[in-house]
Amino acid sequence: SAVISQKPSRDICQRGTSLTIQCQVDSQVTMMFWYRQQPGQSLTLIATANQGSEATYESGFVIDKFPISRPNLTFSTLTVSNMSPEDSSIYLCSVEGLAGTDTQYFGPGTRLTVL
Amino acid sequence: SQQGEEDPQALSIQEGENATMNCSYKTSINNLQWYRQNSGRGLVHLILIRSNEREKHSGRLRVTLDTSKKSSSLLITASRAADTASYFCATYDSGGSNYKLTFGKGTLLTVNP
Repeated sequence: SAVISQKPSRDICQRGTSLTIQCQVDSQVTMMFWYRQQPGQSLTLIATANQGSEATYESGFVIDKFPISRPNLTFSTLTVSNMSPEDSSIYLCSVEGLAGTDTQYFGPGTRLTVL
Repeated sequence: SQQGEEDPQALSIQEGENATMNCSYKTSINNLQWYRQNSGRGLVHLILIRSNEREKHSGRLRVTLDTSKKSSSLLITASRAADTASYFCATYDSGGSNYKLTFGKGTLLTVNP
């Protein structure tokens, strides 16, 4: 498995502001993903972060609200824009393609609270 | 869209007992993966079982897959208090977007010392 880190680990933000979450992997990976886990719920895929091109968003998620960057094979960012209390969740990045496997490994998550 | 569904939603057992969690899904899959999550933190990958496999073991974990019934089970033997966590199954679709993991709702396991 790889070492996956996320920054920040948690944050408390005001309504209407934006937060950018970083995901760093210690080795190059083919695929990177961003998930949201609302309180007491399961994980929902937000988007696939594509290196060198626009992210692929799942139904219900749009680029204006969740812009994603992936400048290289080890790093990605997710921005939660114009936040509301409904955005309070844990946001997790995951990676796939380590050693040619299709196992997804997850970062430690970013716990976001919006007041 | 397809989603794994775990049951039970919550399970409470005594240390030393075995814990069994089940997962059902709706469509064809490439593989099914089990994860553990402690107290809302990151997910830890436990086991991946492919659609052509029926059983896999890893330490105290045993996973079965029945593709005819579209179901999987995770057995934790000789449970410990440290096994207390939420357990999720996730299916990897065999059609369409091959890179999409779809998660079930999870089972909250509590192991009492």
